[in-house]
Amino acid sequence: EAQVTQNPRYLITVTGKKLTVTCSQNMNHEYMSWYRQDPGLGLRQIYYSMNVEVTDKGDVPEGYKVSRKEKRNFPLILESPSPNQTSLYFCASSLMGPSRDYTFGSGTRLTVV
Amino acid sequence: AQRVTQPEKLLSVFKGAPVELKCNYSYSGSPELFWYVQYSRQRLQLLLRHISRESIKGFTADLNKGETSFHLKKPFAQEEDSAMYYCALRSYNTDKLIFGTGTRLQVFP
Repeated sequence: EAQVTQNPRYLITVTGKKLTVTCSQNMNHEYMSWYRQDPGLGLRQIYYSMNVEVTDKGDVPEGYKVSRKEKRNFPLILESPSPNQTSLYFCASSLMGPSRDYTFGSGTRLTVV
Repeated sequence: AQRVTQPEKLLSVFKGAPVELKCNYSYSGSPELFWYVQYSRQRLQLLLRHISRESIKGFTADLNKGETSFHLKKPFAQEEDSAMYYCALRSYNTDKLIFGTGTRLQVFP
C-alpha cells in the first residue's frame, strides 16, 4: 500500500531532550515536507526536500533540523525541544511537478513539558 | 506574496442545507489550487483539485481568477461531511503547498 509512515504517533518529552520523528514513504517521491498544525494557524511548513541531500527551510524552521540521506526517509530532529514546539506534526510527500498532490502521514502529536 | 485565506473558522449547518466554504488566494501567475479534508483524528486527504474539475463526495469548487477565489460547495450537506477543510495553493517554483487556516464544518442532524 502506498503510504507515508510517521513514528511515533504520540510523544511526550521534556524541555531540552533531543528527539527525532521519523518519516518514510514507499512511493519513490522526490519531494518531502514537514508541517506543523496549530489551532487557528493551519498548517505551516517547517522544512522541505526536493531530492536526496537537498533540503531547504520552510516558513517556521527555527528549532528544527532535517536530513535526506535516502529518498524514502526524511526525519525531523528537535535538538533541544521547547514547550512552544508542542504541536501536531505531519510529514508529506509527492512527485515533483504540477498537479502532483501530496500524500500525508498520520501525524505525530508532540507535547513538550 | 502567496497567501491563502479562509475567513471562516467554523461553519455550522443542518443536514440537507447547502454549504459553501470560502477560500481566497493571492498568487502572481496561474495558481494550482486544492481542497484537503481532515476527518477527526485522521490524516489530511485530498478532496479535489481545480485542474481536474471533478466532483468528489458531492463537493465542487470553481476557480474564479477574477475574484481570486476557490470556494468549496455542496448543495446538500451530510453529517459525515463534518470535518476540517483546508484550501491550499501550490507554488510552481518550490512545489510548496501553502495552506489556509482551515474551516471546521459541523453538520447537525
